[in-house]
Amino acid sequence: DGGITQSPKYLFRKEGQNVTLSCEQNLNHDAMYWYRQDPGQGLRLIYYSQIVNDFQKGDIAEGYSVSREKKESFPLTVTSAQKNPTAFYLCASSILDGNQPQHFGDGTRLSIL
Amino acid sequence: DQQVKQNSPSLSVQEGRISILNCDYTNSMFDYFLWYKKYPAEGPTFLISISSIKDKNEDGRFTVFLNKSAKHLSLHIVPSQPGDSAVYFCAAVLGGGADGLTFGKGTHLIIQP
Repeated sequence: DGGITQSPKYLFRKEGQNVTLSCEQNLNHDAMYWYRQDPGQGLRLIYYSQIVNDFQKGDIAEGYSVSREKKESFPLTVTSAQKNPTAFYLCASSILDGNQPQHFGDGTRLSIL
Repeated sequence: DQQVKQNSPSLSVQEGRISILNCDYTNSMFDYFLWYKKYPAEGPTFLISISSIKDKNEDGRFTVFLNKSAKHLSLHIVPSQPGDSAVYFCAAVLGGGADGLTFGKGTHLIIQP
């Protein structure tokens, strides 16, 4: 089955620690995205990548880092510089051929201990 | 400064009736609009989209209307079913969407028996 897999479903982090969220897709999509959702809010774009070894900052990139070493994988690191990391993180992917919808994984909920 | 606005945080509709969800936007450069449905602790699921060159798109029980002069779009669901109870997000895209989606804050639709 083709899709987007995010792991883990739930993640806990101590203050001052970096943590990495995994996102893998087998849809052969070129573009991948990371969004953050807070309660009562829409999704906000953190980072995106249209091609391997290249990525761009979204609207709220501060305190986050990403890599795109493989087409299938786009991990997100939440660094200790992110002051409010508790949120629901969503990964998405899409093809880059005209207007195409993004398809989402089931998300990772990150909480601070 | 929100570019995509969903001004109704929640909407309650009786089963079998029409549900109408509204969305307003401020950026006239948006050229593609999407609706997503989201259950708690899951990723958004793509429902339906519309290009800015059209004013209506229909897919089964779902119809999206676009009024460019008013910068307004709406999603009609008819007839509404219990499984339609979810949060619905409106999203907009600039120039093909490779740079990510801009989301509204969502409307929680509740279908009452």
